[in-house]
Amino acid sequence: DAKTTQPNSMESNEEEPVHLPCNHSTISGTDYIHWYRQLPSQGPEYVIHGLTSNVNNRMASLAIAEDRKSSTLILHRATLRDAAVYYCILRNSGYALNFGKGTSLLVTP
Amino acid sequence: DTAVSQTPKYLVTQMGNDKSIKCEQNLGHDTMYWYKQDSKKFLKIMFSYNNKELIINETVPNRFSPKSPDKAHLNLHINSLELGDSAVYFCASSRRGGTQETQYFGPGTRLLVL
Repeated sequence: DAKTTQPNSMESNEEEPVHLPCNHSTISGTDYIHWYRQLPSQGPEYVIHGLTSNVNNRMASLAIAEDRKSSTLILHRATLRDAAVYYCILRNSGYALNFGKGTSLLVTP
Repeated sequence: DTAVSQTPKYLVTQMGNDKSIKCEQNLGHDTMYWYKQDSKKFLKIMFSYNNKELIINETVPNRFSPKSPDKAHLNLHINSLELGDSAVYFCASSRRGGTQETQYFGPGTRLLVL
């Protein structure tokens, strides 16, 4: 499986946008880019996914570089409830999610 | 209405005991999973079932045996528990396998082996 690289941690102020980067330089043409997050003491939760085009949903936006070697998860207005570990995951096979270390996001009031 | 539920939420037991963790999903999904999150917070797939058939069986000791009595349930039985089995176990489900499918996770079962 192609590997992803994310910063260990990031910090943001409440109500400001947050840009969470992910590098995946060995991505293949059929890899989907998925983002999940895990709030403290909870199970992981789906955030968003995409292949080539940028994607928006009610939780976040996903910006994918033209060469697909990196992507950015954008939270438009961080809230305290968005404090979590965010995982960027490449999927090219049908079943398992291969979680890395993720980025621990701290949101301060 | 919990989509993916697990019981028990907490499990404290002695080394050598046998225990089971139950998982149920009410989403009508065909595929279910067990993941393990260790003390360093790494999440790793253990098993995947599709339509009650085992699809993935990662390198997991054979003391761990999943059982799927029907599509809505995937239970995990663990024999001869060891200290290293202490972890949080998450059940998940998806409509089917596929690179675009979303997985829905349960709240986790926190297992502590003494």
